[in-house]
Amino acid sequence: QVQLVQSGAEVKKPGSSVKVSCKASGGTFSSNAFTWVRQAPGQGLECMGGIIPMFGTANYAQKFQGRVTISADESTSTVYMELSSLRSEDTAVYYCARRIADSFDYWGQGTLVTVSS
Amino acid sequence: QSALTQPASVSGSPGQSITISCTGTSSDVGGYNYVSWYQQHPGKVPKLIIYDVSNRPSGVSNRFSGSKSGNTASLTISGLQAEDEADYYCSSYTTSSALYVFGTGTKVTVL
Repeated sequence: QVQLVQSGAEVKKPGSSVKVSCKASGGTFSSNAFTWVRQAPGQGLECMGGIIPMFGTANYAQKFQGRVTISADESTSTVYMELSSLRSEDTAVYYCARRIADSFDYWGQGTLVTVSS
Repeated sequence: QSALTQPASVSGSPGQSITISCTGTSSDVGGYNYVSWYQQHPGKVPKLIIYDVSNRPSGVSNRFSGSKSGNTASLTISGLQAEDEADYYCSSYTTSSALYVFGTGTKVTVL
């Protein structure tokens, strides 16, 4: 049974950055694939990018290229998502999810990031 | 990468069957059998209910079934129950970004 526990809610100023963590337990961390998905208030799900810790290299959705960095720390079984140059449209709940083959079977509880001046 | 197209809302009476469509392109839905479906109740985390077009994870009711034809995938909920009232999202692998694209989402209402 995989469990993903994310860091707490954040309030950020426009132009700043936010880093959200997702600590995994159960399963084999390094060989798993993790993806970050966000959901703006009242909106749908949006894939931001993903990483397989064993390989270390992340890939990103074109929309977020240059603004997002996804990383993993194998020593703590934690995946991170950092989003920079925040704007009000980035206000959303950010989820980490484990990808198994081509679907997402375990999800973190979500982290609300609010961007407001 | 544009979101996959779903109807905004679908409704049905208890016991009825409803079907939600998910339309993409040959670069995503039509090109691969990698369509999955998620159920999300208000304020809750999405839950995987169908993977690889038509497979159900352990513990998911057999009232949920999935299929695909060409560039359109479908989720059918049979024997509709009050607890099925939720938002439903499809997802597919896409070659556009070697990542995954979600559908626009469908709100299911049980009348």
